[in-house]
Amino acid sequence: QVQLPQWGAGLLKPSETLSLTCAVSGGSFSGYYWSWIRQPPGKGLEWIGETDHSGTTNYNPSLKSRVTISVDASKNQFSLKLSSVTAADTAVYYCARGPKIYVSGWSWGSFDYWGQGTLVTVSS
Amino acid sequence: DIQMTQSPSSLSASVGDKVTITCRASQGIRNELAWYQQKPGEAPKRLIYAVSTLQSGVPSRFTGSGSGTEFTLTISSLQPEDFATYYCLQHNSWYTFGQGTKLEIK
Repeated sequence: QVQLPQWGAGLLKPSETLSLTCAVSGGSFSGYYWSWIRQPPGKGLEWIGETDHSGTTNYNPSLKSRVTISVDASKNQFSLKLSSVTAADTAVYYCARGPKIYVSGWSWGSFDYWGQGTLVTVSS
Repeated sequence: DIQMTQSPSSLSASVGDKVTITCRASQGIRNELAWYQQKPGEAPKRLIYAVSTLQSGVPSRFTGSGSGTEFTLTISSLQPEDFATYYCLQHNSWYTFGQGTKLEIK
């Protein structure tokens, strides 16, 4: 059973840096990409970025200048940092598994397991 | 960027009804489409992947279909636990979700 507990600070002031971590238990850590996705209150879902176990990352162009996703493969954990936050960054942030990485290096698939979500509020 | 246009944005229906939700992609996405169900306060749950493959444990009243740029999620006979918000996701070129369809009890 794959589980993705996540944690991090839930209340930030404008201009601060958001920091969240997600741990992976069960399943293969090296066999997937690992993503961060967010959802503003009452709104839809937005993909933020992803990492594989080696630290190869891909980011949503709309957030790329402020996002860093890092990995600690020795602990099966990955983390999100989002700098210079504003009220517009207030959202529930989820970590998720997917896509699968095949032996050839090709990756394919959607998000099958999700963390429980962390509400991050940005307010002065 | 690939845009996903989901309709309707909200839908009222009764237990036992059949409902259909549609997602249109701004360009062809092959079979790289999934459907998710989200209940208040919970993370999204994947129902269907690769357009029509049912996630393990998901009831067979959920079916997905479509190709190219137009895709549908059909719930054949609504149950009380199906009232939730549904999202499509394309993963052909990075990842884009539809805007969501809130399914409410009539």
